[in-house]
Amino acid sequence: SQQGEEDPQALSIQEGENATMNCSYKTSINNLQWYRQNSGRGLVHLILIRSNEREKHSGRLRVTLDTSKKSSSLLITASRAADTASYFCATFTSGANSKLTFGKGITLSVRP
Amino acid sequence: DSGVTQTPKHLITATGQRVTLRCSPRSGDLSVYWYQQSLDQGLQFLIQYYNGEERAKGNILERFSAQQFPDLHSELNLSSLELGDSALYFCASSVQAVYTEAFFGQGTRLTVV
Repeated sequence: SQQGEEDPQALSIQEGENATMNCSYKTSINNLQWYRQNSGRGLVHLILIRSNEREKHSGRLRVTLDTSKKSSSLLITASRAADTASYFCATFTSGANSKLTFGKGITLSVRP
Repeated sequence: DSGVTQTPKHLITATGQRVTLRCSPRSGDLSVYWYQQSLDQGLQFLIQYYNGEERAKGNILERFSAQQFPDLHSELNLSSLELGDSALYFCASSVQAVYTEAFFGQGTRLTVV
């Protein structure tokens, strides 16, 4: 079963614009992670935010986490055509049976 | 390059057959995860091993089994294959058992005909 649900399912923007992607989850988490997948290739880890953190930056990426709303957002600033990919949020649930589970992903297209 | 190696890259086999997918984790990583990615189901967690022991189990069918060997490489065995098993199978590895980022291999694309 999917723990994370991303929104929107697909996003198309112009190069230079910002892209905002959202993720909601259901149960208590230890951390939330974002990954990128280029067409048919392996996933690449982008950023990890712990449940006691509210915001984190990495280069052009900004991630926020609101544990009260069980939601996170990923902002990519000044997007480039090379950012075209699928983006997944993944959660590590808390507790003894914790697993790293992924949402279905968001397809981002950045038009040159 | 993530450092995680999966073989083979592509596999075409007939229904009813059995295949073995292999994964070598990054050097130093003790944990191995297996995921199945299909268009309709997204990325499904199958199973995780840590230092040779099964650590967590997800939506893995009884026809599927996995193991992690003393040298930490892992194999995923898929038997009595059905058309619906056609998918991308990913292996990932991490240093710890929980709460860390995972590094993914390039996947094995399985086509069942």
